[in-house]
Amino acid sequence: DSGVTQTPKHLITATGQRVTLRCSPRSGDLSVYWYQQSLDQGLQFLIQYYNGEERAKGNILERFSAQQFPDLHSELNLSSLELGDSALYFCASSGRTGENTQYFGPGTRLTVL
Amino acid sequence: LAKTTQPISMDSYEGQEVNITCSHNNIATNDYITWYQQFPSQGPRFIIQGYKTKVTNEVASLFIPADRKSSTLSLPRVSLSDTAVYYCLVGDILLAGSYQLTFGKGTKLSVIP
Repeated sequence: DSGVTQTPKHLITATGQRVTLRCSPRSGDLSVYWYQQSLDQGLQFLIQYYNGEERAKGNILERFSAQQFPDLHSELNLSSLELGDSALYFCASSGRTGENTQYFGPGTRLTVL
Repeated sequence: LAKTTQPISMDSYEGQEVNITCSHNNIATNDYITWYQQFPSQGPRFIIQGYKTKVTNEVASLFIPADRKSSTLSLPRVSLSDTAVYYCLVGDILLAGSYQLTFGKGTKLSVIP
C-alpha cells in the first residue's frame, strides 16, 4: 500500500460527459502528479501540482483540468469525453522527505462508451 | 531527462535470479536511477533507487558501475508473483520544482513455473 488513494476505482460514462477523479496523496506529501495509461500510449505524464499550485504540464488535453485543494487532495476533471479517453488514470505523490520519488495510487479505470 | 533503453521482455524460471539491465548513456551528474514494478491494472510500485555502486533492500539489488551509463536490477529467486513490467527511470530526484516521470516501454518479465 503506497498510501495514495484514488476514487472511484471504476467509472463508466458516455461520450460528451464530464467526470471528476479524486486523489489523496500520502500524508505530508506536497506534490501530486497525474498520469494516463492507455494500451497504445503507455504511461504519460499529464500535470503536476505542488502545494496548491500548478507546477508542470505534460501531454494534457485542453478538455482536461486539475486542481489541488488546501488539504492537498487533488481532482482531475475530464470533460467532453471521447472514446479515446478510456484509460487508467493514476495519481502519484511525492515530497515528504524533500526528494521527488513518486508513489502511485491504485488508479481509476475510465471507460467511455 | 536521460533516455533509457531496456529489453522489451525476459523469461525466467521460478527460483532463478533475474538481472534486468538498463542503459542510460546520457545520465547527468545529479541524476538518480529508479526502478518501478507494475502489475496489470495497478499503479507502478517503487522498488529501488540508487546513485552509484550497489543498493540493496528487502526486494531487490541495484548495481551501478562507476561510469553510471547503465544499471542492473537484480531480483533474487523470482516467483510467479514477480511477473510484471519493470521500468527503469533516470532523473534528478533532488531537483526542486517539477519532476515528471517519463516512462518507456519497460521490460515485461514472465516467470515460468
